[in-house]
Amino acid sequence: DQQVKQNSPSLSVQEGRISILNCDYTNSMFDYFLWYKKYPAEGPTFLISISSIKDKNEDGRFTVFLNKSAKHLSLHIVPSQPGDSAVYFCAAKPSGGSYIPTFGRGTSLIVHP
Amino acid sequence: KAGVTQTPRYLIKTRGQQVTLSCSPISGHRSVSWYQQTPGQGLQFLFEYFSETQRNKGNFPGRFSGRQFSNSRSEMNVSTLELGDSALYLCASSQGPEADTQYFGPGTRLTVL
Repeated sequence: DQQVKQNSPSLSVQEGRISILNCDYTNSMFDYFLWYKKYPAEGPTFLISISSIKDKNEDGRFTVFLNKSAKHLSLHIVPSQPGDSAVYFCAAKPSGGSYIPTFGRGTSLIVHP
Repeated sequence: KAGVTQTPRYLIKTRGQQVTLSCSPISGHRSVSWYQQTPGQGLQFLFEYFSETQRNKGNFPGRFSGRQFSNSRSEMNVSTLELGDSALYLCASSQGPEADTQYFGPGTRLTVL
């Protein structure tokens, strides 16, 4: 049973528009969430994270929103650029302790020029 | 600061052989985790090491093993290779088991023929 779900395997967006990647989780113990970006033939790169004490975290063009009651988070990229084309993984874990993050299966984002 | 390094980057083996993959964490990071990535399956957790001790283990058969050295470098070994072991093997390091964010290496692409 997948505890972290990224229901859209792929997303196509025009350059300059907003990209919204979604992630749902089922485990109530999860209170720390991360997004990673992965290019082909490279390892995932940490992008942005959010703790459950917040509902929004922003870093440049990237913003993560957390809706704890819905067990849902989303990553917004504004404006989208062709270089953002990659696979994005959502991950979740209980904060602290020796907890291993659980990853979603990823969403492949393609940004068209 | 240098990132996580993994060697070799690519490897081709035949069924029944064994393989050893190596990971050097970011300097100062003492926790190392290993993941297997296959198409459509996201990142599957293999094991985590801290201070030369395995702290967590994923749901993989005993053919998959690992170890960590006193300098925090880690190796993973897969014995009696099967076709299904073909995957990208990723190593991630963090400052310690209490840290929430892991940083990934580029991975080792293993192909089993």
